[in-house]
Amino acid sequence: SQTIHQWPATLVQPVGSPLSLECTVEGTSNPNLYWYRQAAGRGLQLLFYSVGIGQISSEVPQNLSASRPQDRQFILSSKKLLLSDSGFYLCAWSVQTGYGYTFGSGTRLTVV
Amino acid sequence: AQSVTQLDSQVPVFEEAPVELRCNYSSSVSVYLFWYVQYPNQGLQLLLKYLSGSTLVESINGFEAEFNKSQTSFHLRKPSVHISDTAEYFCAVSERAGSEKLVFGKGTKLTVNP
Repeated sequence: SQTIHQWPATLVQPVGSPLSLECTVEGTSNPNLYWYRQAAGRGLQLLFYSVGIGQISSEVPQNLSASRPQDRQFILSSKKLLLSDSGFYLCAWSVQTGYGYTFGSGTRLTVV
Repeated sequence: AQSVTQLDSQVPVFEEAPVELRCNYSSSVSVYLFWYVQYPNQGLQLLLKYLSGSTLVESINGFEAEFNKSQTSFHLRKPSVHISDTAEYFCAVSERAGSEKLVFGKGTKLTVNP
């Protein structure tokens, strides 16, 4: 069966520090991968999506970047965190149009 | 481009009461529709989806949603809620053809009180 792993679960980082969040998927090949951010009262904001290795599309300009070094690995990064980067980050995957996404358990990031 | 409007940001109800969470969408093409549920500090879980066929779809825990094309709505209902249904619910839409990207509403927080 397919599973998605996302870590860490919580993270507290100082302003200006780097960030690396990792997401891996098991049990499927060539998934579409997504990074969402959830801020209180603002719903889910799509940050990046990827349809294949090395293929990254950015939905909004921001302080973050994403990479897909392997078929089932998706990494969210920042060189210097801002206070506004705080939020709940969710990774998700899909393989076929119409079947929706499967989400990871999320990372609560607090930038202090 | 699609958009989703969840008309109520918060819905408080008493246990065993019926509930309806409203969702309207906008799209120039045919769509698939989804409801997701999120419990505190967890990821989103798929609750139910409409792809085609019967416009009434049901989940295993008693929720149902009805696709109404003329009103571009996909409201979620449950005839009798439990304390354990307390969560945030998100409506989402994707195009039938083309991008798999889901567009989410801002969510409705359902609170079931004893």
